[in-house]
Amino acid sequence: NAGVMQNPRHLVRRRGQEARLRCSPMKGHSHVYWYRQLPEEGLKFMVYLQKENIIDESGMPKERFSAEFPKEGPSILRIQQVVRGDSAAYFCASSPRWADIGELFFGEGSRLTVL
Amino acid sequence: DQQVKQNSPSLSVQEGRISILNCDYTNSMFDYFLWYKKYPAEGPTFLISISSIKDKNEDGRFTVFLNKSAKHLSLHIVPSQPGDSAVYFCAAITGTASKLTFGTGTRLQVTL
Repeated sequence: NAGVMQNPRHLVRRRGQEARLRCSPMKGHSHVYWYRQLPEEGLKFMVYLQKENIIDESGMPKERFSAEFPKEGPSILRIQQVVRGDSAAYFCASSPRWADIGELFFGEGSRLTVL
Repeated sequence: DQQVKQNSPSLSVQEGRISILNCDYTNSMFDYFLWYKKYPAEGPTFLISISSIKDKNEDGRFTVFLNKSAKHLSLHIVPSQPGDSAVYFCAAITGTASKLTFGTGTRLQVTL
């Protein structure tokens, strides 16, 4: 499967716990984006990363959220001390280069439920 | 501050007829527009796009129209098919930005 792979597909956490969401981009893609979809809303940009670099994190909440895309391995979106308002679908997307940024390839999403 | 708006949350169309999905935007700096299609429990998939220097782009059954003066774009699907039933998101980008701004989506139901 050469598509964008996200895991876990579903994650349940209690308030105060940590959530880690992983994303492996399509083969050959070095640009990764994270988007969040709250219930009944559109997708909202969170962060744009290239290997070992955060390019744009203007959509990330200032606290509790962090993202990385190491030289080896998947991109990880980390949410510390989760709250109920973090319950959402988190989508990862990738592109081969910035010029194709508009036409992103999305994964199937990770659905976080905070109890 | 919703810069991309899809004011119709849902639309029902008979198979074979035309589906028209609308999208309005407020940011005049947007210069590239896209439509994504999303099935339940799946990620969005790119459908069609249009640059601000054009007013129409066609790809098979899908045509996107852009009216820059009205800051309005629309997606036409003709003829509509049951497999087109999905949520359609309009998205916009500026040439210098690294992120898409999405609308809230329109759920299209194509009935037999």
